[in-house]
Amino acid sequence: ELKVEQNPLFLSMQEGKNYTIYCNYSTTSDRLYWYRQDPGKSLESLFVLLSNGAVKQEGRLMASLDTKARLSTLHITAAVHDLSATYFCAVAPPWRGGSEKLVFGKGTKLTVNP
Amino acid sequence: EAGVTQFPSHSVIEKGQTVTLRCDPISGHDNLYWYRRVMGKEIKFLLHFVKESKQDESGMPNNRFLAERTGGTYSTLKVQPAELEDSGVYFCASRLRDREGEQYFGPGTRLTVT
Repeated sequence: ELKVEQNPLFLSMQEGKNYTIYCNYSTTSDRLYWYRQDPGKSLESLFVLLSNGAVKQEGRLMASLDTKARLSTLHITAAVHDLSATYFCAVAPPWRGGSEKLVFGKGTKLTVNP
Repeated sequence: EAGVTQFPSHSVIEKGQTVTLRCDPISGHDNLYWYRRVMGKEIKFLLHFVKESKQDESGMPNNRFLAERTGGTYSTLKVQPAELEDSGVYFCASRLRDREGEQYFGPGTRLTVT
């Protein structure tokens, strides 16, 4: 059974600082997603990582994937208040012609303080 | 292009009552998913439709939950009778027929059973 562990669950950081959120998963996966959720809003897709060594960057966020270690990281550079949100990683099991049901981590609630 | 919409945004009902949640996917998306997040836990898969057919309903907790997608457009999720442990946020997501496409999430319906 695929399990996804995300840490930390809560992260309070100052503006301008760097930090990393970790996502470990237990079995082989086809792809890994990072989502952002603001309170009362939809889960917004940030990154889709498909292969070992994949690295994607958007603004102050950079995501990477190591399929051998079954680990993805979401790195925050020089945090700003607007990045305050809950971040989820989600893993898709290998495609076998069935449903691409995502398995989520518990989420990391990020608060960026001035 | 309109995103995934869900109705209602909040629902408070008493134990034993019935509630019906609705999801309107992005137009043209054949795949529709329901997920649920119980307080403090992960977002968990409930079921997956391809058009009007249930592709995978392995995550449905019990027979008090009934999902339909008549005509392959919007979907409803009925809980009857509701129990306290059904409280949580119910998310809907949709995806194009191509398995490479990502899932787009709605804002969720927060259900509180008292």
